[in-house]
Amino acid sequence: SQQGEEDPQALSIQEGENATMNCSYKTSINNLQWYRQNSGRGLVHLILIRSNEREKHSGRLRVTLDTSKKSSSLLITASRAADTASYFCATSRSNDYKLSFGAGTTVTVRA
Amino acid sequence: KAGVTQTPRYLIKTRGQQVTLSCSPISGHRSVSWYQQTPGQGLQFLFEYFSETQRNKGNFPGRFSGRQFSNSRSEMNVSTLELGDSALYLCASSLMGLSDTQYFGPGTRLTVL
Repeated sequence: SQQGEEDPQALSIQEGENATMNCSYKTSINNLQWYRQNSGRGLVHLILIRSNEREKHSGRLRVTLDTSKKSSSLLITASRAADTASYFCATSRSNDYKLSFGAGTTVTVRA
Repeated sequence: KAGVTQTPRYLIKTRGQQVTLSCSPISGHRSVSWYQQTPGQGLQFLFEYFSETQRNKGNFPGRFSGRQFSNSRSEMNVSTLELGDSALYLCASSLMGLSDTQYFGPGTRLTVL
């Protein structure tokens, strides 16, 4: 079973707009990671945020983590066509370190 | 550094057969983990190996097994294949383990007929 739930399942935006997706999880975590997957290929790591961190930035990406609500969000600013992909959150659980993935958000950026 | 490589990239098997997939991690990475991705179940953790020992295991039947060699290369074996085993199998490597950044290979697409 998956620990994470992502919202929305799909998102369609215009190039230049911002995209926000959310991830909720159930158990205590060591960290939460976001990955991108292009069309059935391997996953590419985007950002890792530890349980004692609240916000992290990497280029056009901003991730927040609220451990009291067991939720995280990923914001992609000034989106580009190349951002079209599926985005997954993954949690490393505190008790056994197993990595558990959400169902993913499919983002389509229209030119 | 070269990335994670997986062979073969595509595989077609029939029910009842067995299959072995291979994963070569990034040089210096000691942890290799395996995942199954299907449209219905999403990405599911299979197992993790670290220094030739299985350190973590997901909720898969015993037909799914793996091993890791002294050079950190890993193999995954699925015996008595079922139609439901059709999936993209991904491996990932990291320096220290599952709480570390994972570097994924391109995957092996297995089709069971």
